[in-house]
Amino acid sequence: QVQLVQSGAEVKKPGASVKVSCKVSGYTLTELSMHWVRQAPGKGLEWMGGFDPEDGETIYAQKFQGRVTMTEDTSTDTAYMELSSLRSEDTAVYYCATDQHYLGYFDYWGQGTLVTVSS
Amino acid sequence: EIVMTQSPATLSVSPGERATLSCRASQSVSSNLAWYQQKPGQAPRLLIYGASTRATGIPARFSGSGSGTEFTLTISSLQSEDFAVYYCQQYNNWPPNTFGQGTKLEIK
Repeated sequence: QVQLVQSGAEVKKPGASVKVSCKVSGYTLTELSMHWVRQAPGKGLEWMGGFDPEDGETIYAQKFQGRVTMTEDTSTDTAYMELSSLRSEDTAVYYCATDQHYLGYFDYWGQGTLVTVSS
Repeated sequence: EIVMTQSPATLSVSPGERATLSCRASQSVSSNLAWYQQKPGQAPRLLIYGASTRATGIPARFSGSGSGTEFTLTISSLQSEDFAVYYCQQYNNWPPNTFGQGTKLEIK
């Protein structure tokens, strides 16, 4: 069984960057396709990006291109999502989620990390 | 980008009754459709993938149907723990993966 444990809540000022971590256990990171999904307060789910097995690389939603970077440290089985040039609209809960079968749906989710952007 | 539209936005149903939630895609997604349940303060949980296959540990009262552009999630006899928000997601044509806006299932 895959378990995903994310880093704690963050408060950032507009223009700053935030880096959220997602520690994998039960599997190794190399066995999984990792994605990131966010949810603004009271809103729905928004896919930010993740590993595309067809291309063998991480792809980002167009909305976040140039502002988001998703990386992995396979030595510690930890995935990271860094979002830069933060604005108030980026206030949201950020989830990591795995696509264990490389099909595009998300079978395991982290507990979420609240990022608050406020001056 | 494929747009997913869920209806209704809110559904009020009594415990023990059946709930039917709908999801429509702006173009065919074949059977590449998943359903998630989300309770307040919790991460989403995968219920259904492949439009009709229950994920591991999901009770049989949850069933999914449909293909192409029209999909349905049915909960046959609502339990108290089933009241939550439900999202559909298409994964036929990504990026991007796209979600519906959600249906809130509330107690009548």
